[in-house]
Amino acid sequence: DQQVKQNSPSLSVQEGRISILNCDYTNSMFDYFLWYKKYPAEGPTFLISISSIKDKNEDGRFTVFLNKSAKHLSLHIVPSQPGDSAVYFCAASVTGDGQNFVFGPGTRLSVLP
Amino acid sequence: ETGVTQSPTHLIKTRGQQVTLRCSSQSGHNTVSWYQQALGQGPQFIFQYYREEENGRGNFPPRFSGLQFPNYSSELNVNALELDDSALYLCASSLTLTGNYGYTFGSGTRLTVV
Repeated sequence: DQQVKQNSPSLSVQEGRISILNCDYTNSMFDYFLWYKKYPAEGPTFLISISSIKDKNEDGRFTVFLNKSAKHLSLHIVPSQPGDSAVYFCAASVTGDGQNFVFGPGTRLSVLP
Repeated sequence: ETGVTQSPTHLIKTRGQQVTLRCSSQSGHNTVSWYQQALGQGPQFIFQYYREEENGRGNFPPRFSGLQFPNYSSELNVNALELDDSALYLCASSLTLTGNYGYTFGSGTRLTVV
């Protein structure tokens, strides 16, 4: 039973356009969320995070939006670049619960030149 | 400042054997977590160590065990290997116990059980 879902296994976007990656979760106790990016043959790299006390966090081209009532978060990349092509994982945790993160299955983003 | 390094990068073992995977945490990080990533899935939490003590465990059987050493390096041991243990094993270290600044992951050890 997946607690963190990323329903789109893959996404293709034209360079310069916006990429929107979605993530849904079922556990209402989750209060901290992160996005990781993974290139082949490398470990996941931390991208951006958001705590449940916020509904938006921005870092350069990356913005994460959190809708707690819908148990939904999204990562926006604007403008998308070919170097953004990777697998993106959404992860969630309950602060104080061993600090382990529950990861979604990932979405493969391809940014086309 | 070095990142997280894992060894070996690839490993093939026979069902029933035992395996030890190693991880050197990023300098200054005192918390290490191990994850299993099966093909096509996200990483799944195995356990976490903080200052040489286990600090949380996921839904994995006792044949998955770990150690963290005084220099914060870590080992993952798996006994009685099963075919389903074939996966990428990721080690991640963090600066804080909460991991609120994100984990730093190693590149992983790809274990194949035949």
